[in-house]
Amino acid sequence: KAGVTQTPRYLIKTRGQQVTLSCSPISGHRSVSWYQQTPGQGLQFLFEYFSETQRNKGNFPGRFSGRQFSNSRSEMNVSTLELGDSALYLCASSLAGTDGYTFGSGTRLTVV
Amino acid sequence: GQNIDQPTEMTATEGAIVQINCTYQTSGFNGLFWYQQHAGEAPTFLSYNVLDGLEEKGRFSSFLSRSKGYSYLLLKELQMKDSASYLCAVRPMFSGGYNKLIFGAGTRLAVHP
Repeated sequence: KAGVTQTPRYLIKTRGQQVTLSCSPISGHRSVSWYQQTPGQGLQFLFEYFSETQRNKGNFPGRFSGRQFSNSRSEMNVSTLELGDSALYLCASSLAGTDGYTFGSGTRLTVV
Repeated sequence: GQNIDQPTEMTATEGAIVQINCTYQTSGFNGLFWYQQHAGEAPTFLSYNVLDGLEEKGRFSSFLSRSKGYSYLLLKELQMKDSASYLCAVRPMFSGGYNKLIFGAGTRLAVHP
């Protein structure tokens, strides 16, 4: 079966711009979580969506937002990009939560 | 607060056994996960422990002691392809949602011939 699909794989943006990343979970998975991964901070939780509702949010500024659609696909948006937003953004989907996430390959965002 | 500690780097020899430790302090506890991440790739799920004891899955085993806030991942019969980062992650009990994991910084394992 198809895995978690994230698009685009790579992205270069300029400071001050905004960006939207997309994630399609495994078919049947209703929980989608987003993480930011940087060399210095490791994997940090951004937010989780379940059935179009944000269930949980990490400690990130309001510039980071997301949503989930009725087909469970999710998008995250970062506005007013800063250099420090350069990172690998990983999306993960889960069926029940006890089986662990399945991660997508990520979107590598570079802010210049 | 929430804190997860694991060694930054480890090296081992092909065919040997290596144990990667993880200690944690979190607000409640609702399970511990281990993930493997090869350079430039997504993390892949290895194991999940919620009760004390050892979970064995092929060459990989994971152990948990909730009273000690301690876990380890044991890799046997090491292969070169096991060179990767190993991430310990804890799901806090009162996370306000079911699928929030707190990750450690990861242990970079290098397997040498």
